[in-house]
Amino acid sequence: QITLKESGPTLVKHTQTLTLTCSFSAFSLYTSGEAVGWIRQPPGKALEWLGLIYWNDEKRYSPSLKNRLTITRDTSKNEVVLTMTNMDPVDTATYYCAHSRPRYHDFDYWGQGTLVTVSS
Amino acid sequence: QSVLTQTPSVSGAPGQRVTISCIGSSSNIGAGYDVHWYQHLPGTAPKLLIYGNNNRPSGVPDRFSGSKSGTSASLAITGLQAEDEADYYCQSYDNSLSGSVVFGGGTKLTV
Repeated sequence: QITLKESGPTLVKHTQTLTLTCSFSAFSLYTSGEAVGWIRQPPGKALEWLGLIYWNDEKRYSPSLKNRLTITRDTSKNEVVLTMTNMDPVDTATYYCAHSRPRYHDFDYWGQGTLVTVSS
Repeated sequence: QSVLTQTPSVSGAPGQRVTISCIGSSSNIGAGYDVHWYQHLPGTAPKLLIYGNNNRPSGVPDRFSGSKSGTSASLAITGLQAEDEADYYCQSYDNSLSGSVVFGGGTKLTV
């Protein structure tokens, strides 16, 4: 059974950089056809896709956030790291990582999410 | 606003059938990319409900079904139950701007 879990700070200050880690099990990002995505949901708002990292280390980012996002992987630890620079209070949201199937571009397993609050 | 358009809210009585629509464009649904649906209950992780337009993951009741036509897609729920009350999101892929995943704005289902 695939599992994912997000970890990182619950509170960051305006203009700081956010770093979140997604720890996963039961699949490898070295295996062809695997990918991990990041999605967030601001309070009371819709889901918003942030980015994806594929088994071949290809990355895709949301066009509106690409200048602020970096996604990397540590395959020795089965972890994916999301870095978002220049945080703003509007970035306050629950951040999810999820297993993606590039064949479908869907997200079939999700982490529990972590709420990140940005103080002004 | 979201790339995929969903009606903000729908409601139905227990036992009834409801449909939730998802309207896209020629760069996403209309380009042939699959549509997926998620059920999101407050305080929990979103759950994949329908993938590849009309496929149910193991464990999802057959009361849930999906369809796609042209630049739009729909999620149908029959035999509504109280536990179906949740937010529902459609999701697809868009080939504009170097390719990206896109979500709908979500539909709140009240039972």
